[in-house]
Amino acid sequence: KNEVEQSPQNLTAQEGEFITINCSYSVGISALHWLQQHPGGGIVSLFMLSSGKKKHGRLIATINIQEKHSSLHITASHPRDSAVYICAVPLSNDYKLSFGAGTTVTVRA
Amino acid sequence: DAGITQSPRYKITETGRQVTLMCHQTWSHSYMFWYRQDLGHGLRLIYYSAAADITDKGEVPDGYVVSRSKTENFPLTLESATRSQTSVYFCASRKQGLAKNIQYFGAGTRLSVL
Repeated sequence: KNEVEQSPQNLTAQEGEFITINCSYSVGISALHWLQQHPGGGIVSLFMLSSGKKKHGRLIATINIQEKHSSLHITASHPRDSAVYICAVPLSNDYKLSFGAGTTVTVRA
Repeated sequence: DAGITQSPRYKITETGRQVTLMCHQTWSHSYMFWYRQDLGHGLRLIYYSAAADITDKGEVPDGYVVSRSKTENFPLTLESATRSQTSVYFCASRKQGLAKNIQYFGAGTRLSVL
């Protein structure tokens, strides 16, 4: 069983391209997290959102609670955006997170 | 800089040896977590703790032991390391309260069991 599914698994883009990563989940949630992990690096929380849209720099996250779907968009992608992006949702009524398998993004100059 | 720190960052050990990975946070967060990250599996929860002296099993607890005598520390011990425990281990913490509160992750410990 996997409560969280991400797509695509891998993505390669040219610098400047618009990138979209998708996350679908099967459980009812209060909020969804997007995390970023650079190669060999730690994990950083990018967004936590429960409705609508959030924007931070060139990153935009959207969520549709009814459809149980979230997207992470990277506008004007740059090689420094190369990382693994992970979607996570809290298990119902619990403080544990269920994680997607991650999307490996490579942005070529 | 305050935050959540893990040590060591890298560790090589042999099968059968005991290994302890350390995790320390300075925020007095109630909840702390240990995850392992493996190719093809993503992050999996090993153990978690809701407060000092309160710990519980996660998804993959076998072969691991935790303790939490103080709020700020949450060590993870591999009592007899096996090759299958070669992985990257992440510690995380978060405030008490809503499940949607952000978890803050340490930099990770890369463990190789030979």
